[in-house]
Amino acid sequence: GESVGLHLPTLSVQEGDNSIINCAYSNSASDYFIWYKQESGKGPQFIIDIRSNMDKRQGQRVTVLLNKTVKHLSLQIAATQPGDSAVYFCASSNNNDMRFGAGTRLTVKP
Amino acid sequence: GAGVSQTPSNKVTEKGKYVELRCDPISGHTALYWYRQSLGQGPEFLIYFQGTGAADDSGLPNDRFFAVRPEGSVSTLKIQRTERGDSAVYLCASSLGGVLTFGAGSRLTVL
Repeated sequence: GESVGLHLPTLSVQEGDNSIINCAYSNSASDYFIWYKQESGKGPQFIIDIRSNMDKRQGQRVTVLLNKTVKHLSLQIAATQPGDSAVYFCASSNNNDMRFGAGTRLTVKP
Repeated sequence: GAGVSQTPSNKVTEKGKYVELRCDPISGHTALYWYRQSLGQGPEFLIYFQGTGAADDSGLPNDRFFAVRPEGSVSTLKIQRTERGDSAVYLCASSLGGVLTFGAGSRLTVL
């Protein structure tokens, strides 16, 4: 079956620095990828998505990079703020079947 | 409604009891998903509905777990003979195909 995993379980950054969260996926048939943010006691919230026909997509302060050759996904957060502290999950989908990785906890130090 | 609604938000039950968890998706969303999340883990896929039918139920851990979506809107996840290992947050999400919108989850504690 498909597995989606993350390289680092925790990441600590200084406020104002850029953050990079990485993710590896195993199913080469995955055609759609999403990054979610989850705060304590809440469900995951959509951050940004990318389809397999793209390598890069930018949002407000966030960028997702997709490397299909090595099946790697990354989330870059610019000028990280205390409100960005949360657990971040990548998810990959094949034909609407969406699976999640274990998550990375991002802590932003003031 | 404006978002995905899950009830109850918290459920404490005793081992061996039967539990029902309800999900009210965003109006018009055809796809509905159930996930289970244990502390410190990512959401674990359970089942996915497209309309009234289960498109993929391969994530249900055993035959004690069952889910229905009889009219293609509200869904109920049913757990029979609950075990302590069933304790987790059960997340529901809906979509039109693409981004999943999640509810806040139902926290199940089996004593």
